[in-house]
Amino acid sequence: DIRMTQSPSTLSASVGDRVTITCRASQSVSAWLAWYQQKPGKAPKLLIYDASTLESGVPPRFSGSGSGTEFILTISSLQPDDIATYYCQQYNNYRTFGQGTRVDI
Amino acid sequence: QVQLQESGPGQVKPSETLSLSCSVFGDSVSHTGFYWGWYRQTPGQGLEWIGSVDYRGTSSYSPTLKSRVTMSVDTSKNQFFLNLMSVTAADTAVYYCTRDPFLEWVLYSDYWGQGALVTVSS
Repeated sequence: DIRMTQSPSTLSASVGDRVTITCRASQSVSAWLAWYQQKPGKAPKLLIYDASTLESGVPPRFSGSGSGTEFILTISSLQPDDIATYYCQQYNNYRTFGQGTRVDI
Repeated sequence: QVQLQESGPGQVKPSETLSLSCSVFGDSVSHTGFYWGWYRQTPGQGLEWIGSVDYRGTSSYSPTLKSRVTMSVDTSKNQFFLNLMSVTAADTAVYYCTRDPFLEWVLYSDYWGQGALVTVSS
């Protein structure tokens, strides 16, 4: 199994802040990585795939970078609607998720 | 707009089979280039991929669950299905169905159902 580790587990920030979440893989996943946003009681929503490609309809304040074993999700200017838990997922070898990062304001 | 809707019993007895269906709207399960997937989520274990299947019945399952899982597709009803055998309390979770783009292997999941809570209890 490829293990995915996110940091931090929780993050508290203010509206307008730049927020970064890190995801590390236990072995290289190339660029086969996605980021999802999940709000309480809702299904995950795809934000970014192939490490850096923004899904259609997702605000451009979200961006992804990285390859191999280290990846970053950046929210350039945090908005109240961004309060959620964020997950990374590798799909290089089956699929596994990070444990999630909860973002609060 | 693609929409997916899970349905099935909300409670299953231990040792029995958990069966869920997913209805697809706004797309066809016969659409080449896509698989149709299942995930589950528990507070303790987080998000877990169960497997994915295409319209021909070609499937890819999580190695952890492979011995207990079967997935299938009914193109006439535009639905796909999950069967998880010999369930225990550890299988209690919210189950999601998804659409999964496929290249040379199954990739991420771009559309998700709303989720269905299944509790394993006698």
